[in-house]
Amino acid sequence: GAVVSQHPSRVICKSGTSVKIECRSLDFQATTMFWYRQFPKQSLMLMATSNEGSKATYEQGVEKDKFLINHASLTLSTLTVTSAHPEDSSFYICSARDVDGAYNEQFFGPGTRLTVL
Amino acid sequence: GENVEQHPSTLSVQEGDSAVIKCTYSDSASNYFPWYKQELGKGSQLIIDIRSNVGEKKDQRIAVTLNKTAKHFSLHITETQPEDSAVYFCAAEIGAGSYQLTFGKGTKLSVIP
Repeated sequence: GAVVSQHPSRVICKSGTSVKIECRSLDFQATTMFWYRQFPKQSLMLMATSNEGSKATYEQGVEKDKFLINHASLTLSTLTVTSAHPEDSSFYICSARDVDGAYNEQFFGPGTRLTVL
Repeated sequence: GENVEQHPSTLSVQEGDSAVIKCTYSDSASNYFPWYKQELGKGSQLIIDIRSNVGEKKDQRIAVTLNKTAKHFSLHITETQPEDSAVYFCAAEIGAGSYQLTFGKGTKLSVIP
């Protein structure tokens, strides 16, 4: 099946620094990628929808200047958490929709655990 | 917007028994309902999905039923095995054709050998 990778899988950073998370579709092209945030024992919350070659669409309450999303190619989207604070510590998950695949089917990456000290 | 409720939050079953997880949704325009299995280190994997033009779909030990009138759908796992232990999430498409999903809060399934 389709594979989505995320890098890094785990990152620890100091408060005030920026962290970039990469999401790649390895064996398919993804015109649309989604970024989710998951707190412990809670569900996945959609943060933004990333479309290749255009600006991301952010969900209500998500600061676009804090969570910068770039979808420069059909296989890569990046999420940059700028000026990270401890409350940004969370599990970030991306998913990708196969442009040639079944309608609506999304493939998820393994996630990135961010810890901000 | 779409609101998805999932029950129960935790479920323990004996190996070989069946497990049922139920979800309700609010947006009558939604027409795509996937189920994901989340395991540590493996990410969330699609295990089965259903579209609104059918009422039931089955794949070996896993089945999903959909009642559009009542706006609820359920996951059924038969002959459970220890490797079925995981967190399961239901989801519903936000509106129709958006490709965006709203997730339930998850059900932690434990299969006791």
